[in-house]
Amino acid sequence: AQTVTQSQPEMSVQEAETVTLSCTYDTSESNYYLFWYKQPPSRQMILVIRQEAYKQQNATENRFSVNFQKAAKSFSLKISDSQLGDTAMYFCAFMKQKGGSEKLVFGKGTKLTVNP
Amino acid sequence: EAGVAQSPRYKIIEKRQSVAFWCNPISGHATLYWYQQILGQGPKLLIQFQNNGVVDDSQLPKDRFSAERLKGVDSTLKIQPAKLEDSAVYLCASSLAGGFTNYGYTFGSGTRLTVV
Repeated sequence: AQTVTQSQPEMSVQEAETVTLSCTYDTSESNYYLFWYKQPPSRQMILVIRQEAYKQQNATENRFSVNFQKAAKSFSLKISDSQLGDTAMYFCAFMKQKGGSEKLVFGKGTKLTVNP
Repeated sequence: EAGVAQSPRYKIIEKRQSVAFWCNPISGHATLYWYQQILGQGPKLLIQFQNNGVVDDSQLPKDRFSAERLKGVDSTLKIQPAKLEDSAVYLCASSLAGGFTNYGYTFGSGTRLTVV
């Protein structure tokens, strides 16, 4: 079974600074996908960034980028130029394709607070 | 496009009562998921539908939980009888044809259930 571990329950950062959220995972699969989701108080899970395991290049989306280390099974999220609107819970998630079942396996989340 | 609609937004019931949640996915999305998110944890998949057929219900407590998607569109999730440990946010998500091929899911805002 796949597991996802986020070792930082809470983090804080000053506005405009950079912060990195950690995520490690365990799987015996060779082909899979990794995601970072943001969950504000509205509770809706919002996709931040995705990474295909077969791609060596790290994904980037504007101020968000990842450091994907496949051998180490590590998938960290870097947020640059942090904004107050980035305050939320952040979840790392794993997905493998298996006969049509494409469930997301989530970590426990990291609560990020951006301070003015 | 309209998002994934869920109702009610909040529900408080006594233990041993029954409760039902409703989800209307994005129009045309064939795949629908129900996740349970207990406080302090990441979401966990309860059931996945492809059109009106069940793809994965391995983590659904079938002695008390049931779900249906009769016409391949909207879905209901029912709990009967509820236990204290069922207190959680129930998230519905949908995707066009499998989560990753459509670049991820779209989540609704969830129903927060409190069992007292």
